[in-house]
Amino acid sequence: AQSVSQHNHHVILSEAASLELGCNYSYGGTVNLFWYVQYPGQHLQLLLKYFSGDPLVKGIKGFEAEFIKSKFSFNLRKPSVQWSDTAEYFCALRPHNQGGKLIFGQGTELSVKP
Amino acid sequence: EPEVTQTPSHQVTQMGQEVILRCVPISNHLYFYWYRQILGQKVEFLVSFYNNEISEKSEIFDDQFSVERPDGSNFTLKIRSTKLEDSAMYFCASSPTSSGNTIYFGEGSWLTVV
Repeated sequence: AQSVSQHNHHVILSEAASLELGCNYSYGGTVNLFWYVQYPGQHLQLLLKYFSGDPLVKGIKGFEAEFIKSKFSFNLRKPSVQWSDTAEYFCALRPHNQGGKLIFGQGTELSVKP
Repeated sequence: EPEVTQTPSHQVTQMGQEVILRCVPISNHLYFYWYRQILGQKVEFLVSFYNNEISEKSEIFDDQFSVERPDGSNFTLKIRSTKLEDSAMYFCASSPTSSGNTIYFGEGSWLTVV
């Protein structure tokens, strides 16, 4: 079965700390991978996506993620977080050539202390 | 930047009542989706819609649910005879194609069934 697992439910960091949010998926075929962010009271916004090519993808606001096929992982990173990064982060996969639906992880709430 | 818009932002309804959630997808997009997120749980796919018909639906999307695009711009989700467990945030989304493109989400409609 297709699934996405995010290891951390709630992460608390101080400003300027480095961030890594784990995401692992279960699917045997080709996938597209996404990280979405949901700021308080706002809609889901795309941070970055991986379709093919360079496994290290850069997104908005200084975020990046690395696709490691052998580990079925797509971890999100940021070298130095800011208070404004406080939000919920969702990893999602879309099986290739299976329509457009996304399969989401359970989300990781990030709280950044000023 | 074009956005997916949803109305209402919050609706409270009595158990057994019918609810219609409305969405205006991005204008040149062809694929439309509904997802839901029960409080504290994952974002779950409900249904995808293309060319005026359902292209895929999840097991959650039973006979209680229906979707339509009545006028070429609005995309609605109808929930007949709501149950307490239908209380959730419902997200509408759209994309230009079914693969190879980002799925854009609306801000969500909070449904509370009492």
